[in-house]
Amino acid sequence: DGGITQSPKYLFRKEGQNVTLSCEQNLNHDAMYWYRQDPGQGLRLIYYSQIVNDFQKGDIAEGYSVSREKKESFPLTVTSAQKNPTAFYLCASSIFLGYQETQYFGPGTRLLVL
Amino acid sequence: GQQVMQIPQYQHVQEGEDFTTYCNSSTTLSNIQWYKQRPGGHPVFLIQLVKSGEVKKQKRLTFQFGEAKKNSSLHITATQTTDVGTYFCAGPGLGNQFYFGTGTSLTVIP
Repeated sequence: DGGITQSPKYLFRKEGQNVTLSCEQNLNHDAMYWYRQDPGQGLRLIYYSQIVNDFQKGDIAEGYSVSREKKESFPLTVTSAQKNPTAFYLCASSIFLGYQETQYFGPGTRLLVL
Repeated sequence: GQQVMQIPQYQHVQEGEDFTTYCNSSTTLSNIQWYKQRPGGHPVFLIQLVKSGEVKKQKRLTFQFGEAKKNSSLHITATQTTDVGTYFCAGPGLGNQFYFGTGTSLTVIP
């Protein structure tokens, strides 16, 4: 059953704590993305990776870090430097086939600050 | 930087009424995509438009790409409660980035 999985579904962070959100895909997609969604807002790009061991900052990368050691995995760490981390985090992957490139999203992780 | 704006931000309609959301880009797009996000869910791809002036239909949904490839619209005929959700347009940016619109949240009143 192919798809994208994210864990956990809900995550609580204490002040000054780093937390890591998991994203795994078995679609054999090259590109992976992390987005942040705030209530009533659109999707803002945090980081993206087009290939293993390479990634680029999106529009709101400050306070976040990523790694891409395997094609299937693209974990996101929310560091203590991110002062307003409460949001819905969505991971996506995509594959380019001619003109057609669509993003497949995981179910998301809701991060709350205690 | 590239911006993709959508209007309206919210829309409430009676079931059976039509609904339209508009998407405008600050730059010319090579293609535009539409996604639907159900309440509490994640965005799901609906369709991609590539050609200038292109019109595509999916049952009650009609998608249009502007002649200048800077705007797009999604029209739903005779809305149903299953149409509830937020509709996003998205356009490609530099590299492999996608720029998502601000979204239009549709509420259908039975």
